[in-house]
Amino acid sequence: RKEVEQDPGPFNVPEGATVAFNCTYSNSASQSFFWYRQDCRKEPKLLMSVYSSGNEDGRFTAQLNRASQYISLLIRDSKLSDSATYLCVVNTYTGNQFYFGTGTSLTVIP
Amino acid sequence: EAGVTQFPSHSVIEKGQTVTLRCDPISGHDNLYWYRRVMGKEIKFLLHFVKESKQDESGMPNNRFLAERTGGTYSTLKVQPAELEDSGVYFCASSQGTGSGEKLFFGSGTQLSVL
Repeated sequence: RKEVEQDPGPFNVPEGATVAFNCTYSNSASQSFFWYRQDCRKEPKLLMSVYSSGNEDGRFTAQLNRASQYISLLIRDSKLSDSATYLCVVNTYTGNQFYFGTGTSLTVIP
Repeated sequence: EAGVTQFPSHSVIEKGQTVTLRCDPISGHDNLYWYRRVMGKEIKFLLHFVKESKQDESGMPNNRFLAERTGGTYSTLKVQPAELEDSGVYFCASSQGTGSGEKLFFGSGTQLSVL
């Protein structure tokens, strides 16, 4: 079983739409959770950390459900510039290891 | 502040040749990671340095891959001899310490094509 699983998509949504991505992780000892954004042919860049109580950064809301071992990312009022691949990343402190999902592809359509 | 830098950005070599990739982490970051992404697959861990020591090299595919981190600064990843299946994007990432919420910062990657 993979450490981190994501629906690869693709998600094609119109501008202004709300879209949500989910991610599940297998190791219950995982401690830190992140969403990274990767543009085509670029490196992953940190979008936001995910905290236990949930957190929001502008149009982006991240939530963590430890009991069900899943993480979500909600994007409101989608912009064309949101088109990218969104990577779910989980860290286990044992060896300070980071695990990546395959990424979810989002295309925002005019 | 300079980010993680990688060199070269692209490398095209023939099967059997040797290639060396370099990564300069963010200054002061003890942790340095190498990852590889093959098209259509997830980013996969190769190895992890803490300063100059290899903390975990369980992701290294085989003994054709050799990574070093001299003096705990920059790191090199050598592939010798390269095979077709080694093609992919090699990312280097660094993080500062081992505390809660450690974040990874990535270099722009080296696109390796083995022909």
